[in-house]
Amino acid sequence: SQQGEEDPQALSIQEGENATMNCSYKTSINNLQWYRQNSGRGLVHLILIRSNEREKHSGRLRVTLDTSKKSSSLLITASRAADTASYFCATDAGYGGSQGNLIFGKGTKLSVKP
Amino acid sequence: NAGVMQNPRHLVRRRGQEARLRCSPMKGHSHVYWYRQLPEEGLKFMVYLQKENIIDESGMPKERFSAEFPKEGPSILRIQQVVRGDSAAYFCASSRQGIHGYTFGSGTRLTVV
Repeated sequence: SQQGEEDPQALSIQEGENATMNCSYKTSINNLQWYRQNSGRGLVHLILIRSNEREKHSGRLRVTLDTSKKSSSLLITASRAADTASYFCATDAGYGGSQGNLIFGKGTKLSVKP
Repeated sequence: NAGVMQNPRHLVRRRGQEARLRCSPMKGHSHVYWYRQLPEEGLKFMVYLQKENIIDESGMPKERFSAEFPKEGPSILRIQQVVRGDSAAYFCASSRQGIHGYTFGSGTRLTVV
């Protein structure tokens, strides 16, 4: 079953507006990552937040993590048409396993209209 | 540093044929991971390899799929006797160690006709 579930599935906004995407997960984690995927392309790593962190910033990106609610949010401020893409959250397995298995949600498809 | 290189970018196979997907990790990376992405879905983990070793293959289908990462050369994901349901994008990622510094390739899009 999916570890991460993004919400909403699709989001359409105007350029300059902020976009907020949410992710919920089921099991305990060591960290959570957000990726972007342009249509038909590979994944680009955006930001990683550790389980002992509550908030992290990178440029126009702001990520929060609430481990008590098993949820994270990605905020893109002052959106641009170039931000149009699918956004995925991914968690590690959270146990002392192979340390190689990322578990992805189904993604939020963001469309930023100029 | 060319990043993670996957080839081919697009692959078309008839049902019953074999598909071979290649992944060359980033320079200095000895950990390779394969993921599959169905249309409108997220990525699903398939297998995690280090040089000459399979570390975790918990996401690999039990039949027809195999992966290797030899001492020399790229990692290969092999799908025998492909079926229409194998049509997907297959992504490879590499890292120096574990999930930190994970870098994805651009993927191979397999179409089975």
